[in-house]
Amino acid sequence: GAVVSQHPSWVICKSGTSVKIECRSLDFQATTMFWYRQFPKQSLMLMATSNEGSKATYEQGVEKDKFLINHASLTLSTLTVTSAHPEDSSFYICSANPTSRGYTDTQYFGPGTRLTVL
Amino acid sequence: DAKTTQPTSMDCAEGRAANLPCNHSTISGNEYVYWYRQIHSQGPQYIIHGLKNNETNEMASLIITEDRKSSTLILPHATLRDTAVYYCIVSTVPREYGNKLVFGAGTILRVKS
Repeated sequence: GAVVSQHPSWVICKSGTSVKIECRSLDFQATTMFWYRQFPKQSLMLMATSNEGSKATYEQGVEKDKFLINHASLTLSTLTVTSAHPEDSSFYICSANPTSRGYTDTQYFGPGTRLTVL
Repeated sequence: DAKTTQPTSMDCAEGRAANLPCNHSTISGNEYVYWYRQIHSQGPQYIIHGLKNNETNEMASLIITEDRKSSTLILPHATLRDTAVYYCIVSTVPREYGNKLVFGAGTILRVKS
């Protein structure tokens, strides 16, 4: 149990276009989901905390108008990279804490989405 | 959240125990020690977490010192598939709105045949 999926697993887009990445909790509900970004040979960097039904909380230095987050249901959060540029190319990973009972108190991660902007 | 210090890399022979240390000298009373690992180009995988007692599950054991300033993750019989970056993270237990996990550089564990 406690599976998190992401779609797509990889995407290539042209500079200036927008890309949407979906994060789903498949067998549990999550009030909160998190979005991370990871550049090659670096660690994960938290971008924002996504709360169902409310605005996301962004970490310092992350542009909220560029990285739009929507958490419309307890099983789905989306990250839209608007007007993408080559420097946005990265590995984007989401995670979620189960809010339903029966799961241990821990955070589960999706498999990641590789974004390449040409 | 408290910071952690881990060795940059470690090697381990296949079939032997892998012992990965972590220092978290500034850990506070309500913070847990979490261990995750990340295999190349995948999302992090949860391994184990604990507060002050030693913990064991099907993947690993977690040994936390009595003063809670350091811990060791033990993979009892390492296999080639355990080659990954291992992250030791200190954080509070998630409540209604989850808990932030701040990832450091981690330890690159290379299991060799």
